[in-house]
Amino acid sequence: KNEVEQSPQNLTAQEGEFITINCSYSVGISALHWLQQHPGGGIVSLFMLSSGKKKHGRLIATINIQEKHSSLHITASHPRDSAVYICAVEETSGSRLTFGEGTQLTVNP
Amino acid sequence: KAGVTQTPRYLIKTRGQQVTLSCSPISGHRSVSWYQQTPGQGLQFLFEYFSETQRNKGNFPGRFSGRQFSNSRSEMNVSTLELGDSALYLCASSSGQGGVYEQYFGPGTRLTVT
Repeated sequence: KNEVEQSPQNLTAQEGEFITINCSYSVGISALHWLQQHPGGGIVSLFMLSSGKKKHGRLIATINIQEKHSSLHITASHPRDSAVYICAVEETSGSRLTFGEGTQLTVNP
Repeated sequence: KAGVTQTPRYLIKTRGQQVTLSCSPISGHRSVSWYQQTPGQGLQFLFEYFSETQRNKGNFPGRFSGRQFSNSRSEMNVSTLELGDSALYLCASSSGQGGVYEQYFGPGTRLTVT
């Protein structure tokens, strides 16, 4: 079992829909990161969380430390949101990031 | 501020050769981490350097090595290349040590081993 699991693996939505991507982890962590990767490889850090909730524009990230679960929400989705979204955790035992397999999001106009 | 830069962006090498990739972090950042991304294994941590010292290392063979210079620029080296080393190699810099600080990723170096 992977230490970081994301669901769904693939997600197709219509423009304007509310989207949720989930991330579960099995280890103790000091922080959780949500990353966005566009075709071509560039990765952008969206959020870094150690508790609670963060919001940036149409993106919202939440984390429940007790349940070892995080969600990334996109409100009013747009075709430019199409990308791979990756959850990564930093374990309390060290400074390395462990990544989920990613969620391929496609938003159709 | 300029972002994280990586050179070269694309590289084609032959099995058995060695390769050196370079990463220049954001000015003022002292931590540089390296990652390998392949279709089969996804993103995997290679190593992290902070103030010229390797602070953490992933589960990769000794053919993978790195170093960091006094100006925080970092290089990684892969010796005796294998076909399976074909991947996107990403580096990320942060202002502090480890992932607790937000990491800023470079565009990556796409290595193809033939």
